Amino acid sequence: DTEVTQTPKHLVMGMTNKKSLKCEQHMGHRAMYWYKQKAKKPPELMFVYSYEKLSINESVPSRFSPECPNSSLLNLHLHALQPEDSALYLCASSPDGWGQGSGEQYFGPGTRLTVT
Amino acid sequence: EDKVVQSPLSLVVHEGDTVTLNCSYEVTNFRSLLWYKQEKKAPTFLFMLTSSGIEKKSGRLSSILDKKELSSILNITATQTGDSAIYLCALLKGSGGSNYKLTFGKGTLLTVNP
Repeated sequence: DTEVTQTPKHLVMGMTNKKSLKCEQHMGHRAMYWYKQKAKKPPELMFVYSYEKLSINESVPSRFSPECPNSSLLNLHLHALQPEDSALYLCASSPDGWGQGSGEQYFGPGTRLTVT
Repeated sequence: EDKVVQSPLSLVVHEGDTVTLNCSYEVTNFRSLLWYKQEKKAPTFLFMLTSSGIEKKSGRLSSILDKKELSSILNITATQTGDSAIYLCALLKGSGGSNYKLTFGKGTLLTVNP
């Protein structure tokens, strides 16, 4: 298995809903990432987990809550989101831990989130 | 402040043309430069360039890192319509731990017309 998978592909949620995004990789990668990407903009790093521990939180609002249950899984829990949070949410993984290696990352296909 | 600047922002060519995309940067503690191709969905990893690996090639694509000029180019020869995409450059800096940082450029939108 040489890919990063994400579910769901699309998600529409209201501002009072609670939902979760899921990301999975079975390549034995040591670091996993959440990015947010708005239309015609580059990806913005949100969180980094390295060896299942949160290494980076790029000042993301608390309505986004990451979780790394094991080395293959990464979740992003969403609660009380705002319409401006609508974006493509990308998960990525890299072979080396954060702060190690050369940073090559492999992206999942993303979840297109719409907050109404 | 770290900077990653890509040029041009957009480019339209005809099939068969050769294109050169640029990425210039200002970072401290350079670690690596990464090139990605993004079509409709997620970025696809193309190349990673480091101080010990300044030139990479894969088929019609090649990339060179110029550490003196603080820049990199991505060359695509004999372009095809399937090369139409946004090409992203990203810089990894830091010596590890909390000062490790990845910064993306804004990308170059390449359109290859038949």
